[in-house]
Amino acid sequence: EPEVTQTPSHQVTQMGQEVILRCVPISNHLYFYWYRQILGQKVEFLVSFYNNEISEKSEIFDDQFSVERPDGSNFTLKIRSTKLEDSAMYFCASRGLAVYNEQFFGPGTRLTVL
Amino acid sequence: AQTVTQSQPEMSVQEAETVTLSCTYDTSESDYYLFWYKQPPSRQMILVIRQEAYKQQNATENRFSVNFQKAAKSFSLKISDSQLGDAAMYFCAYRSAVTYNTDKLIFGTGTRLQVFP
Repeated sequence: EPEVTQTPSHQVTQMGQEVILRCVPISNHLYFYWYRQILGQKVEFLVSFYNNEISEKSEIFDDQFSVERPDGSNFTLKIRSTKLEDSAMYFCASRGLAVYNEQFFGPGTRLTVL
Repeated sequence: AQTVTQSQPEMSVQEAETVTLSCTYDTSESDYYLFWYKQPPSRQMILVIRQEAYKQQNATENRFSVNFQKAAKSFSLKISDSQLGDAAMYFCAYRSAVTYNTDKLIFGTGTRLQVFP
């Protein structure tokens, strides 16, 4: 069964460093998403991406964040200068073309900023 | 803006018994989707069940069923014959079905379900 994959599973970084979180969506999916979940809190939407551009972004997704689909298979989330409060679980999701299609989630990347 | 509320931070159930998790939401839209996601300790988000707002019939998936009350904006999840593997965090989520509108998922704060043998 096709699935969304994410690497790494856990990333530890120093405050101020840049990190890139990687996702491989399901191959025939066209819509891509990043969500984050701070420990013990609810899952929050960050950004959606379609046709090589951002469809929507939340207030959390400020200038420190960027997304890219560099090679037609990977979907990346970059945080330019990490802050302590960026420590969270980051989930990638993807869905197919039809509006009723569900979003499939990856296993997440745990980001720890020290 | 749409909101999702889960008023039960924790619930517990005996194995083989039935438990109902509550969810209410607020929206001005008439067409939308509602979901229940399960998040076990591994923290992977797993879709349990979905409901289209235009469907009056409540969705069911094996031991999982929902009670969808559109007028009351209520969407509860019933787990029958609970199993130890059902222990997890359960999130209720909303998504607009209007194609030109946002398709992000809006999550509630979650309900932690414990299952006792």
